[in-house]
Amino acid sequence: NAGVTQTPKFQVLKTGQSMTLQCAQDMNHNSMYWYRQDPGMGLRLIYYSASEGTTDKGEVPNGYNVSRLNKREFSLRLESAAPSQTSVYFCASRRTEYNEQFFGPGTRLTVL
Amino acid sequence: KNQVEQSPQSLIILEGKNCTLQCNYTVSPFSNLRWYKQDTGRGPVSLTIMTFSENTKSNGRYTATLDADTKQSSLHITASQLSDSASYICVVSSNDYKLSFGAGTTVTVRA
Repeated sequence: NAGVTQTPKFQVLKTGQSMTLQCAQDMNHNSMYWYRQDPGMGLRLIYYSASEGTTDKGEVPNGYNVSRLNKREFSLRLESAAPSQTSVYFCASRRTEYNEQFFGPGTRLTVL
Repeated sequence: KNQVEQSPQSLIILEGKNCTLQCNYTVSPFSNLRWYKQDTGRGPVSLTIMTFSENTKSNGRYTATLDADTKQSSLHITASQLSDSASYICVVSSNDYKLSFGAGTTVTVRA
């Protein structure tokens, strides 16, 4: 039981390049989330998926797209990376009871 | 706007000592409050959760308190260990999916 897994762990991009961050969970949760974490700030919600086949914008969706591939997988895509997207990205899945979210280990992204 | 404010930003304590972290929130309507521990380079992991009717919850050497009237919570770490060095994040839930995160308190425990 791996919980929430994310790939890659680290990535360096040049401005304008694109990439996809992968996330998978094996807890059979319906809801999944993408956050970014910046120094001195709380985690901010980028996109979420309440169930397979649905996605919705969070607090900071600009510059990102998501795909809920199936119940297990939720990917985050940067179409044209910008230096402002340098951050640590966390994927999470939610257990309905107590609204508890389980986080992956994070992807540290640097955009030059 | 729902907000969660944590203090202090960071603190350093000697191994074996106690410390208390603070969390003030303006989230409404309130569902529950959770403290997470985030080790360097890792994702946050839940320590405790409290609903409106609970005012204290313990998890080993961690004790959380909640005053829903004043919208304040605290996390007390007893007899700190080197492994307690981490960031502690206060998270308030207001509905099924939306969470409000504090910026965290970074605790450094020194031998």
